[in-house]
Amino acid sequence: EDQVTQSPEALRLQEGESSSLNCSYTVSGLRGLFWYRQDPGKGPEFLFTLYSAGEEKEKERLKATLTKKESFLHITAPKPEDSATYLCAVQPTTSGTYKYIFGTGTRLKVLA
Amino acid sequence: GAGVSQSPSNKVTEKGKDVELRCDPISGHTALYWYRQSLGQGLEFLIYFQGNSAPDKSGLPSDRFSAERTGGSVSTLTIQRTQQEDSAVYLCASSFYSQGSAFFGQGTRLTVV
Repeated sequence: EDQVTQSPEALRLQEGESSSLNCSYTVSGLRGLFWYRQDPGKGPEFLFTLYSAGEEKEKERLKATLTKKESFLHITAPKPEDSATYLCAVQPTTSGTYKYIFGTGTRLKVLA
Repeated sequence: GAGVSQSPSNKVTEKGKDVELRCDPISGHTALYWYRQSLGQGLEFLIYFQGNSAPDKSGLPSDRFSAERTGGSVSTLTIQRTQQEDSAVYLCASSFYSQGSAFFGQGTRLTVV
C-alpha cells in the first residue's frame, strides 16, 4: 500500500535555528514528490516538485532533497513568517490514476 | 483568474439537505482533483478528472457524493442528504499535466448542522 509519513508532527524553533522536516514514503513506483505549505484557513501552497533520487530544489530559506525512501525539507535560519504546516505528497505510478497521496504534515512554529 | 477559484468559501447547511461546491481550475489545466480535509487531519483524496472524464473516483466516501466536470473546465462536487460527518474543508486542485505539480484553491468550509 502506498503511504506517506511525516515527522515530526510539530516543531518549535527559535528564529535563526535551522532544522529539517522528514517525509518517508512507500510506493511501488514514484512519479513525483511534492512539498506544500499550508497556512491556517488557506489551501496548500505549492513549494517544490522532486522527480528522482539525488534531486535538490531551493527557494529562499527552504531546500528540498530526495532519496529513494524519503525526502527532507531543510529550513535554514527560519523566520517567524515561515510558521505554517508543511505537507508532503507523492504521486505513485499506479495505473489509471494520477492522484496524490498526502502525509499529515508537520506544524512548524518559529519564535521571534 | 490566475489561480484555482472555489465557491462558496463557506457553507452552512442543515442535515439532510443537498449542497453543491464549485471549482474553477486554472485556465488550460487538464487535470482536476477534489480532496477533503477534516479538522486536524491530512488531505483525503476524493476524485480525479482528466478532461471531462473521471478515471479515478475511488475516494468518494458514499453514493451520496458525486462530481462532474464540463467543458474541460469547471467542476461541481455534489453531496446529497448531508450528514454531520460531511463537515470538512473541501479542496480543489488543478494541474497542467496529470504528472506534475497541482495548485490548490482556498477551499470550501462545509458545516452541517
